[in-house]
Amino acid sequence: QVQLVESGGGVVQPGRSLRLSCAASGFTLSSCNMHWVRQAPGKGLEWVALIFYDGSDEYYADSVEGRFTTSRDSSKNTLYLQMNSLRAEDTAVYYCAREYGDGSAFDIWGQGTMVTVSS
Amino acid sequence: QAGLTQPPSVSKGLRQTATLTCTGNSNNVGNQGAAWLQQYQGHPPKLLSYRNNNRPSGISERLSASRSGNTASLTITGLQPEDEADYYCSAWDSSLSVWVFGGGTKLTVL
Repeated sequence: QVQLVESGGGVVQPGRSLRLSCAASGFTLSSCNMHWVRQAPGKGLEWVALIFYDGSDEYYADSVEGRFTTSRDSSKNTLYLQMNSLRAEDTAVYYCAREYGDGSAFDIWGQGTMVTVSS
Repeated sequence: QAGLTQPPSVSKGLRQTATLTCTGNSNNVGNQGAAWLQQYQGHPPKLLSYRNNNRPSGISERLSASRSGNTASLTITGLQPEDEADYYCSAWDSSLSVWVFGGGTKLTVL
C-alpha cells in the first residue's frame, strides 16, 4: 500500500528549530520528486519545498528560503524537513506529498503533522 | 509568490451542476494546466484530476476538468451531499520555479 506518514510536529518557541519526518512505504522515494506543503489553521494550501527524485536539486518557497531545508535518507525511505528560525507564521499542518510521474500534480499525501510556533 | 485565483465559495442545489474556476497565467495554468484537489475538514487533500482532465482511479465520472487559456475549470455534475468540501487547484510555475495553489473554493450543496 502506497503511504506517507509524517511525524515530528509539536509546539516550539519562536527562533527554535524542528525536524519533520515523512516515512514512505509502497514505493521508493528515490524514484519520485517529493514535496512539503503546509496549511495554516483555517487557511489554504501553501507549497513549501521540493526535492528532486535523485536529490540533485531543491526548490523552496520565498517564505521559507534560507530557513528550511529538505533532504532524504534513501536507506530509510524517509523524507525530512529541517525548519530553523521558526516564526509564528510557520504555524501550520505540514504535509509531505508525492509528485505524480508526469510532474503535473501531487498524487499521494500524508496525513499531516501539526507545528505550532508559540512562546 | 502570487497564487492562483479561485472564488472563495460556490453554492449549488442537490443534483445540480457546479463549475469551479482557477485563473493563473501563461507560466502556470496556461503552460501545463492545473490539477484539482478535494479536501474535507481535518483531512489531507485528495487528487481529483491532473493534466486538465485525467482522473486517478476511483474518482467519480461526475467530475471533469478542462482548461481555456489561463483558466482551468472543474465541473461536478449531479451534486451530492458528499461533494460539499474545499477544492484547490495547483500548478507548477515555470517562470518562478515554484508550485502555486489557488486559495480554495468552498463548495456548498444546498
